[in-house]
Amino acid sequence: AQSVSQHNHHVILSEAASLELGCNYSYGGTVNLFWYVQYPGQHLQLLLKYFSGDPLVKGIKGFEAEFIKSKFSFNLRKPSVQWSDTAEYFCAVNANTGNQFYFGTGTSLTVIP
Amino acid sequence: DAGITQSPRHKVTETGTPVTLRCHQTENHRYMYWYRQDPGHGLRLIHYSYGVKDTDKGEVSDGYSVSRSKTEDFLLTLESATSSQTSVYFCAISESRGGLKRFTEAFFGQGTRLTVV
Repeated sequence: AQSVSQHNHHVILSEAASLELGCNYSYGGTVNLFWYVQYPGQHLQLLLKYFSGDPLVKGIKGFEAEFIKSKFSFNLRKPSVQWSDTAEYFCAVNANTGNQFYFGTGTSLTVIP
Repeated sequence: DAGITQSPRHKVTETGTPVTLRCHQTENHRYMYWYRQDPGHGLRLIHYSYGVKDTDKGEVSDGYSVSRSKTEDFLLTLESATSSQTSVYFCAISESRGGLKRFTEAFFGQGTRLTVV
């Protein structure tokens, strides 16, 4: 079975600070990788996804993530966070030949105005 | 947003009673999933379906059953609700594309908040 680790459980930043959230997965084969965001009281929405090609993926709202195969990592970044980025962020992995999605435990981000 | 509707959105039930949650999709996606979300645990897969009448267990399937008699509907049943099943339940859908069975992202419903008292 695959597993996903998100090392930062709760992050607090001031507006305009830079963000990096870590995500590591355990699976030796080809994977598809995702970052989802969940705003308070809402469902999960896709931020960005990686299937193949350029390992630097750009998503919505200025987010980007970099896939580093040798490190089994897919870290999420944003150069300058806003108060509206306050949310919970989930990393997910899906094996290229599998039909299940595995999620990390999430990182709660609080941005202070 | 993908056409996924979960019902009910909120439910309070008593311990020992059966409860059925419904997920309805209008995207004609083959794959459907039920997750539960709990603080500190993220999302955990309960059951999933890969076609009509084709289902399989996830990592936290004990106490839950599912059925899929039509492509568009995936039902989750708590056979005898317990307080440990108080949670937020999310339905998700996905599809495979191309000969390499590459999956799309998972699209999520709005969630059902279930409280077992």
